[in-house]
Amino acid sequence: DAMVIQNPRYQVTQFGKPVTLSCSQTLNHNVMYWYQQKSSQAPKLLFHYYDKDFNNEADTPDNFQSRRPNTSFCFLDIRSPGLGDAAMYLCATSRDHGDPHTQYFGPGTRLTVL
Amino acid sequence: AQKITQTQPGMFVQEKEAVTLDCTYDTSDPSYGLFWYKQPSSGEMIFLIYQGSYDQQNATEGRYSLNFQKARKSANLVISASQLGDSAMYFCAMREHSNDYKLSFGAGTTVTVRA
Repeated sequence: DAMVIQNPRYQVTQFGKPVTLSCSQTLNHNVMYWYQQKSSQAPKLLFHYYDKDFNNEADTPDNFQSRRPNTSFCFLDIRSPGLGDAAMYLCATSRDHGDPHTQYFGPGTRLTVL
Repeated sequence: AQKITQTQPGMFVQEKEAVTLDCTYDTSDPSYGLFWYKQPSSGEMIFLIYQGSYDQQNATEGRYSLNFQKARKSANLVISASQLGDSAMYFCAMREHSNDYKLSFGAGTTVTVRA
């Protein structure tokens, strides 16, 4: 089945220790998104890639970076995690042509910062 | 200003009964899409149903239907014959044509199905 995969599902890191979260997709969608979701809140868009074009949200902290080496993979790097970065991180994909541009989400990575 | 409003933070429903989740939206863009997602406690956001602003008929997908009232700017989700597995958080979201790749999410409604 075509899908969005996120690894790991659970990640524990120490305060200030860099961490990388991974997302891959078999949908061949050209748009990929990273969201941060804190407990009982709606997801918050951090950035998205339209093909190789990176689009950062204005309020995304510099501590968050992303890489997309090819169509299938996208990475979220948190350079110096703080306690406030503990959250669920959701990756999503969509295609850019034809309605409705539905975003399909992966299972998420739950990040704990000690 | 809030683009998507979900006024029900939590709801209880009896198994096999129907439940309606409210969603109102605010946009001046004539072209937009409305989405409902389900998020179980495991965390995955599952796409349920879509309604386009120009669609003449209400969208349906199995036990899910969307009650689209364009003049009132509402897009309520109806879940028929509730099952225990329907217990989850439900998010209403909107994509405006002028902001093509961005989804605006509501605050979500938690549904608990009782046996």
